[in-house]
Amino acid sequence: NAGVTQTPKFRILKIGQSMTLQCTQDMNHNYMYWYRQDPGMGLKLIYYSVGAGITDKGEVPNGYNVSRSTTEDFPLRLELAAPSQTSVYFCASSYGDRGYQPQHFGDGTRLSIL
Amino acid sequence: GQQVMQIPQYQHVQEGEDFTTYCNSSTTLSNIQWYKQRPGGHPVFLIQLVKSGEVKKQKRLTFQFGEAKKNSSLHITATQTTDVGTYFCAGRETYKYIFGTGTRLKVLA
Repeated sequence: NAGVTQTPKFRILKIGQSMTLQCTQDMNHNYMYWYRQDPGMGLKLIYYSVGAGITDKGEVPNGYNVSRSTTEDFPLRLELAAPSQTSVYFCASSYGDRGYQPQHFGDGTRLSIL
Repeated sequence: GQQVMQIPQYQHVQEGEDFTTYCNSSTTLSNIQWYKQRPGGHPVFLIQLVKSGEVKKQKRLTFQFGEAKKNSSLHITATQTTDVGTYFCAGRETYKYIFGTGTRLKVLA
């Protein structure tokens, strides 16, 4: 079982560039989440989705966009990259049950904006 | 909005000593989850607490949920070098979880 797969693992972007972080899960989970973790800090929720076609903002959504066209995929789009977006990005998924299920995390994407 | 704080931010202990981290929410929680993140790794689920006053044990780890469902704690008895990492609590608000600031544990052999 692959679980939650994130690509790429590492990326360096120039200021103003755009990119999409990919996240796919093979556990048929309907809840999916995007977090960012700055060095030595906790996780901040960027966006989340409770099912295909449904997304909502988390704590720090500015500068990001998401879409959820399928149950498996939940890509995160960065538009006009800024140095403040340098971080490690984690995607997570969980089974529904109104949120009473553990989150399974991918290995993360380490992103640097220079 | 909801805030979840953890103390202490860092803790260094000698191997064999006990360790406790505390988690406090600004709002009443539906449930709380605990995660462990090893250096360079991703968070891994440890346990979930749902009921007021709930206590759960996993070997040397004891988890408690406060009576008011606004605080929680994780206690490790007789720490080992394998316990090194950052421990996060995550409190649920509707469908989303707010993670605490984390407690980084270092165990000295």
